Amino acid sequence: NAGVTQTPKFQVLKTGQSMTLQCAQDMNHNSMYWYRQDPGMGLRLIYYSASEGTTDKGEVPNGYNVSRLNKREFSLRLESAAPSQTSVYFCASTGAEAKNIQYFGAGTRLSVL
Amino acid sequence: AQTVTQSQPEMSVQEAETVTLSCTYDTSENNYYLFWYKQPPSRQMILVIRQEAYKQQNATENRFSVNFQKAAKSFSLKISDSQLGDTAMYFCAFMKHGLFANAGGTSYGKLTFGQGTILTVHP
Repeated sequence: NAGVTQTPKFQVLKTGQSMTLQCAQDMNHNSMYWYRQDPGMGLRLIYYSASEGTTDKGEVPNGYNVSRLNKREFSLRLESAAPSQTSVYFCASTGAEAKNIQYFGAGTRLSVL
Repeated sequence: AQTVTQSQPEMSVQEAETVTLSCTYDTSENNYYLFWYKQPPSRQMILVIRQEAYKQQNATENRFSVNFQKAAKSFSLKISDSQLGDTAMYFCAFMKHGLFANAGGTSYGKLTFGQGTILTVHP
């Protein structure tokens, strides 16, 4: 059982480049989330998808877009990367069977130069 | 909006001893959930323990237990018989209670995290 899978694990971008972080879960969860983790600040919610077909902004959405491609997949896109987006990005999911416990992917470490 | 505060940036403990990590939160909600997550050097976020606010009894999971003080809005984590594998960053997190029923089925709320406490267990 793979759980939540994120790709890539590491990425280096130049300022202004674009990229998409991929996330897939195989637990049949309805809800999916994207967080960023910065030193001294814990994890902060970027965007979430309560269910397939819906997406909503979290605490720090500026500079990001998301797509809930289907029930399994939830992608995060940086259209024009900035150094302030250097961070570790986590995808998570939860659903009825999980009793509101969120399960996390292994994270993507992104550096924007 | 909810806030979660972990006032101890770093803690250390000797192997086999007991350590307590502190967490306070601010909310106007009456029903909610509290969590402790562990993040070892591998970076993976792992659930340690979960507490439902409407339950008086403190949650326990083997060597891990919490002291939940609802009136004081305090949620501390006690690790007994500390092991080297407990070395990690620990995050306290809050989730407002509520199921969001919609066409896609039942879905759940968002987590608000504290800043984290780095715990080092020394041999």
